[in-house]
Amino acid sequence: GENVEQHPSTLSVQEGDSAVIKCTYSDSASNYFPWYKQELGKRPQLIIDIRSNVGEKKDQRIAVTLNKTAKHFSLHITETQPEDSAVYFCAASWGDDKIIFGKGTRLHILP
Amino acid sequence: SAVISQKPSRDICQRGTSLTIQCQVDSQVTMMFWYRQQPGQSLTLIATANQGSEATYESGFVIDKFPISRPNLTFSTLTVSNMSPEDSSIYLCSVAPGQQQFFGPGTRLTVL
Repeated sequence: GENVEQHPSTLSVQEGDSAVIKCTYSDSASNYFPWYKQELGKRPQLIIDIRSNVGEKKDQRIAVTLNKTAKHFSLHITETQPEDSAVYFCAASWGDDKIIFGKGTRLHILP
Repeated sequence: SAVISQKPSRDICQRGTSLTIQCQVDSQVTMMFWYRQQPGQSLTLIATANQGSEATYESGFVIDKFPISRPNLTFSTLTVSNMSPEDSSIYLCSVAPGQQQFFGPGTRLTVL
């Protein structure tokens, strides 16, 4: 079945710097790649997603890139702010809406 | 998007007992999903619930332990049966209209 690997497990960046989280997936049939942000004690919230027919998508300070050949995708957060501190999950899905999640990255924004 | 509610929001249970978690969505959806999130861990899919048919369980999860009901297109229940402390976790339901998946607020279960 599908497997999603996520790195790093923990990431600390200085406020204002950029953060990059990387994921790889195993099933070449995967066609949808969402990213979720989960703050402590709250549900995961969808922050950005990309479909397999697109190589890059941007929404203000957040961008996602997809390399289908290499089967990897990345989340980029620029000009990080304290409120960006959270756990981020990548995920992959293929048509039947079932989503498989990566293990998560705990992002710390340092003052 | 979809508005999802879950009941209860949290519970503390004794080992050997069962708890049924309810999930209500504000719109009709074909599939509802049940996830488990253990402390500090990622989300693991338990099963997919389709209206009018038996749920489809992922590897490592069985119907006797996690029976699911799906009586209509806006509601589902997950029962955690014969609980042990290892079942302590957050249980979340979700729906995926248009492939974007939205989560309920979760049910925090503690088994003593």
